[in-house]
Amino acid sequence: DGGITQSPKYLFRKEGQNVTLSCEQNLNHDAMYWYRQDPGQGLRLIYYSQIVNDFQKGDIAEGYSVSREKKESFPLTVTSAQKNPTAFYLCASSTPGLLLNEQFFGPGTRLTVL
Amino acid sequence: GENVEQHPSTLSVQEGDSAVIKCTYSDSASNYFPWYKQELGKGPQLIIDIRSNVGEKKDQRIAVTLNKTAKHFSLHITETQPEDSAVYFCAPSNAGNMLTFGGGTRLMVKP
Repeated sequence: DGGITQSPKYLFRKEGQNVTLSCEQNLNHDAMYWYRQDPGQGLRLIYYSQIVNDFQKGDIAEGYSVSREKKESFPLTVTSAQKNPTAFYLCASSTPGLLLNEQFFGPGTRLTVL
Repeated sequence: GENVEQHPSTLSVQEGDSAVIKCTYSDSASNYFPWYKQELGKGPQLIIDIRSNVGEKKDQRIAVTLNKTAKHFSLHITETQPEDSAVYFCAPSNAGNMLTFGGGTRLMVKP
């Protein structure tokens, strides 16, 4: 089955700790994205990567970091500098091209800071 | 940047009725207009999309209409069923596969 997997589904961390969220896709997509979703709100873009070893900041990148060492993987690190990290985090991927295409989403990781 | 608004924010309909959700956007260069459905605790899933050279697209019970002059597009669901209950997002885009999501509409279909 092709798709996007995110792990873990639920994550708890103490204040001041860094935590890394996993995102893996086997769709052979070049582009990958990280979004944050707060209760009752839409999705906001944190970081995106159009190709391996390259990524760009989205609208709310402060306090987050990413890497893109492999086409299949795009991990997100939530650092202690993120003031309000409790949220639902969604990873997506797509095939970039001249025609805009569907973004495929993973099941999400719910992060709670204790 | 793109400013996207959805209305209404919540919508309650009786099973079998129709539902319409409207999305307005600000960037006249937008040329791709998708609608996503998000069920509780899951990631969004594309249900229908339309490109700027088309005014309307239909797929069984769902349809999307586009008015580029007025900069809005709408999702139409006919013969609603309880499984249509979810949060729906519009996400217009103008380039580079970058989507700007609206705030979402919670649709509740009462049996």
